[in-house]
Amino acid sequence: DAKTTQPNSMESNEEEPVHLPCNHSTISGTDYIHWYRQLPSQGPEYVIHGLTSNVNNRMASLAIAEDRKSSTLILHRATLRDAAVYYCILRSPSGSARQLTFGSGTQLTVLP
Amino acid sequence: DAGVIQSPRHEVTEMGQEVTLRCKPISGHNSLFWYRQTMMRGLELLIYFNNNVPIDDSGMPEDRFSAKMPNASFSTLKIQPSEPRDSAVYFCASTRDGLYGYTFGSGTRLTVV
Repeated sequence: DAKTTQPNSMESNEEEPVHLPCNHSTISGTDYIHWYRQLPSQGPEYVIHGLTSNVNNRMASLAIAEDRKSSTLILHRATLRDAAVYYCILRSPSGSARQLTFGSGTQLTVLP
Repeated sequence: DAGVIQSPRHEVTEMGQEVTLRCKPISGHNSLFWYRQTMMRGLELLIYFNNNVPIDDSGMPEDRFSAKMPNASFSTLKIQPSEPRDSAVYFCASTRDGLYGYTFGSGTRLTVV
């Protein structure tokens, strides 16, 4: 299965942008890049996903490298409520990799 | 939509007892997943169903664990007999077929003493 690599932890100041990196050098052509986050004492929450083009939604933006070997989740203005573990996951449209396999993620701390 | 509903939120039981965790997926979702989360092992997929049929149960730790999905709106995860090492937070998630995002429930925190 294609794997992702994320920093264990990152810090950000409140109201500043946050760029969370993810490396996935063994990504296949059909793998989608998914991001989830898990706030303390809650279940994981879907954030965004994409295939090749950059994606924006109300929560975040996803910037995908041209060679697709890396991606960056962008929170445009971090708030204290964004403190969570952020997971970058590759998901195949078929086969055993259709399900989400979570790694250890990046623990984001937002400083007031 | 009320989201994915899990019950109970907390369960404390004695070793050797049977435990049943319940999940109601979002209406219209045809895939359902059971995950377990511990500090040591993180989030692990236990089993997933597609159109009520178990597709992959390779993550089920042993025969003491079983899961059913009798219809599109209900699933159970049963542990019999329970052991202290089963203590964890169990999450249920559902999604529509394809590449849409998963919706997770709030989880059941199981403590086996």
